[in-house]
Amino acid sequence: EVQLVESGGGLVQPGGSLRLSCAASGFTFSDHYMDWVRQAPGKGLEWVGRSRNKADNYTTEYAASVKGRFTISRDDSKTSLYLQMNSLKTEDTAVYYCARVGASLMIPGGYWGQGILVTVSS
Amino acid sequence: QSALTQPASVSGSPGQSIAISCTGTSSDVGAYKYVSWFQQHPGKAPKLMIYDINNRPSGVSSRFSGSKSGNTASLTISGLQAEDEADYYCSSYSRSGALFVFGTGTNVIVL
Repeated sequence: EVQLVESGGGLVQPGGSLRLSCAASGFTFSDHYMDWVRQAPGKGLEWVGRSRNKADNYTTEYAASVKGRFTISRDDSKTSLYLQMNSLKTEDTAVYYCARVGASLMIPGGYWGQGILVTVSS
Repeated sequence: QSALTQPASVSGSPGQSIAISCTGTSSDVGAYKYVSWFQQHPGKAPKLMIYDINNRPSGVSSRFSGSKSGNTASLTISGLQAEDEADYYCSSYSRSGALFVFGTGTNVIVL
């Protein structure tokens, strides 16, 4: 059974940093692209970024709203995905979902974790 | 990069068919066959229902189908059931701003 479990969320002040983790199991993590997607409270979905697999040189892509502030990394030996978030702004407050890309490489995620809340507030 | 436009809500009675539209531009929906649809129940993670315009992942009911014409994609739910009441989001691959853009979301209400 595919499982994605996010952790590391919480309350952080504007300008601060936070690192989210996503522990994956139930599938061959190293074969898959992975996405981060977020959802502000009561709002719609926003794609944050993508980590490609080793075959594609672990390249990453980011939304313009987070580029230069957020960094996606992965550790295939630990079957884990990470999102390092720096210079956080109040508008980064959201539930952050980790998602496995599967059915198609050309869609945001395919199977999603349950999400973790990040609150940026003073 | 603007979100794709969806109606705020669509309603129907059990057994009826409803359609949700998703309007983008020639830089996203109109340019690619990579439109997907997600279902989200309150407090839950989104679930993939349709990918690449009209493909269903394993386990998704055949009552869900997708189509696209020009810059507008559509999700049709036939034989509406109470469990279909949820928020639905479309998404498209994009060549401007971000890799993917989502729709504004549609709340489906089963009367």
